[in-house]
Amino acid sequence: GAVVSQHPSRVICKSGTSVKIECRSLDFQATTMFWYRQFPKQSLMLMATSNEGSKATYEQGVEKDKFLINHASLTLSTLTVTSAHPEDSSFYICSATRGGVAYGTDTQYFGPGTRLTVL
Amino acid sequence: LAKTTQPISMDSYEGQEVNITCSHNNIATNDYITWYQQFPSQGPRFIIQGYKTKVTNEVASLFIPADRKSSTLSLPRVSLSDTAVYYCLTQGSSNTGKLIFGQGTTLQVKP
Repeated sequence: GAVVSQHPSRVICKSGTSVKIECRSLDFQATTMFWYRQFPKQSLMLMATSNEGSKATYEQGVEKDKFLINHASLTLSTLTVTSAHPEDSSFYICSATRGGVAYGTDTQYFGPGTRLTVL
Repeated sequence: LAKTTQPISMDSYEGQEVNITCSHNNIATNDYITWYQQFPSQGPRFIIQGYKTKVTNEVASLFIPADRKSSTLSLPRVSLSDTAVYYCLTQGSSNTGKLIFGQGTTLQVKP
């Protein structure tokens, strides 16, 4: 149980276009989903926290107008990179939690990641 | 800033036990300690979580001393497929459940 999927697994786009990445919890309802970005040889960087039915909370330094997050249902969150540029090329990873338990024990289950390359 | 400190890298050989120690001096009373494993170009995978003393599951053990300022992940009899980055994180109400990843420990298992 606790499987999280992402689609697409990799995407190549031209500079200036927008790209949507989907994150789905396949066998549980996720009250909260998180979006991370990871550059080569670096650690994961939290971008935003997404709760179903409400606006996402972005970490400091992350442009909310550039990285649009929608969490329309308990099993789906989407990240749209608008007007993508080469510096947005990165590995984007989502995670999901069941909620309903104390923060300390609310395990985050991660998706397989999406490799974005902007030409 | 990450709240944990780990060695940047470790080497081991197949069949050996590997212990990775993590320092979390400022862990909050209600925070838990969670370890993840990440292979290249994949999302992190949950390994184990604990609050105090010892926790064991089918893949690892987690040792946490009474002061909880550090923890040790123990991987018994590692194989080449255990080569990965291992992250130690504290998780709880002090950070509303968010995970702030540090640099992790890159474990290289040699034949």
